[in-house]
Amino acid sequence: KAGVTQTPRYLIKTRGQQVTLSCSPISGHRSVSWYQQTPGQGLQFLFEYFSETQRNKGNFPGRFSGRQFSNSRSEMNVSTLELGDSALYLCASSPGPVTDTQYFGPGTRLTVL
Amino acid sequence: QKEVEQNSGPLSVPEGAIASLNCTYSDRGSQSFFWYRQYSGKSPELIMFIYSNGDKEDGRFTAQLNKASQYVSLLIRDSQPSDSATYLCAVNFGGGFQGAQKLVFGQGTRLTINP
Repeated sequence: KAGVTQTPRYLIKTRGQQVTLSCSPISGHRSVSWYQQTPGQGLQFLFEYFSETQRNKGNFPGRFSGRQFSNSRSEMNVSTLELGDSALYLCASSPGPVTDTQYFGPGTRLTVL
Repeated sequence: QKEVEQNSGPLSVPEGAIASLNCTYSDRGSQSFFWYRQYSGKSPELIMFIYSNGDKEDGRFTAQLNKASQYVSLLIRDSQPSDSATYLCAVNFGGGFQGAQKLVFGQGTRLTINP
């Protein structure tokens, strides 16, 4: 069974731009979660989606948003990029709705200049 | 604020010995606990999950959970150089909709196995 896939793997943007990251979960998994990983803050939860509904949200500003499609694929968007948004963005999928063993994708490395 | 605490290390263990990694969490109502391994430059890899008090063994790995003490640990027996990585403890602090997930991670413990 194929794992979680994320595109693109690397991205360079400038301040003020916006970016959209994509995640395809493991086949049959219906929950998708997003995390931001930085050396200073570690792994931080952004949001979780199940059946196209956001079920949980972390403490990030409204510039960070996401959505999930009917095929469970998910996207996250960051608007008005700031230097501090440079990070590894990780997507994880789990079977859901209550089975919460999450498997991570390879991540998208975002650099904001 | 719900938190997960780990000793950041680094932890150095000789090859063949037992490595012991510890984690405490703040929410007494938490039900799901996970250990991930992350090699440098890679994404986290799930190695153990535990839901009930006591021990859970999988090969050389044993997860231990004590909900009363809000403590979860990971033991690695017969440590190998390939076990050298950062180990992340995670707790599901999900709330709201039933089954909602919100994994909160500790800062990770960097483990080095010395040949």
